[in-house]
Amino acid sequence: GENVEQHPSTLSVQEGDSAVIKCTYSDSASNYFPWYKQELGKRPQLIIDIRSNVGEKKDQRIAVTLNKTAKHFSLHITETQPEDSAVYFCAASRTGGGADGLTFGKGTHLIIQP
Amino acid sequence: ETGVTQTPRHLVMGMTNKKSLKCEQHLGHNAMYWYKQSAKKPLELMFVYNFKEQTENNSVPSRFSPECPNSSHLFLHLHTLQPEDSALYLCASSPQDSNQPQHFGDGTRLSIL
Repeated sequence: GENVEQHPSTLSVQEGDSAVIKCTYSDSASNYFPWYKQELGKRPQLIIDIRSNVGEKKDQRIAVTLNKTAKHFSLHITETQPEDSAVYFCAASRTGGGADGLTFGKGTHLIIQP
Repeated sequence: ETGVTQTPRHLVMGMTNKKSLKCEQHLGHNAMYWYKQSAKKPLELMFVYNFKEQTENNSVPSRFSPECPNSSHLFLHLHTLQPEDSALYLCASSPQDSNQPQHFGDGTRLSIL
C-alpha cells in the first residue's frame, strides 16, 4: 500500500518569512496530492491540491510543487501570518479522491512567531 | 458551516457499551469515508463507501461496524471497544468520479473508559 512521509514534524518561522513542508510517497500509481490545514479542535480543511499532470500550482500565498520522478511534493507558504499557525497534512491517493481513500502524512505543526 | 455533519461531537463510553456515530452530508456526493485520528499519528483510513457499497476496509477490527443506508448517511457502530480506540473519528465525503477533494466533518471525539 501507499506510504507517505512528511517533514518536518514541527516548523517555527518568523512572521513574514516563508515556510516549506515536504512529503514523499511510495506508490508510483498515486496521482492526486491534497494538502489539509487543521486548526486546534477543528476539522481538516483543504487548502490546495495538485494532480500528477501538473508540476506546480499556486493560490495566492500558497503553492505546491510535485516531482513525480522523485515521488515527492512540497507545500510553500510565503509571507506567513499568525493565522497560518496550524497543523498541515499532506496526502496521496490513486484517484481524484473519489473511489479511493487518502493516505496521510503525520503532519507538520507550523508555528508563526510574531 | 460544513456540508458534512457528524453527531455526537463528544462521546464517552465504557468498554462493554454499544454506541453509534452518525455522519450526514448535504453536498450531493456519492463517496463517504471514515478516518481515525489519534494523537501523534497520521489520519488513518478505516472504510470507503461508493454509492452505498463498501469498497475498502483498511484492516479495521470487527468491533467497528460501518453502515451506509444511502449516499447521504454513514454510520459507525461501536461495540466492545478498547482504550486504544479513544480518538477523533472523522467522516468525509467526495464526488465519486469527478476528481474532486474530500470534505471533512468536525469529527466525534471518542473516549473509552
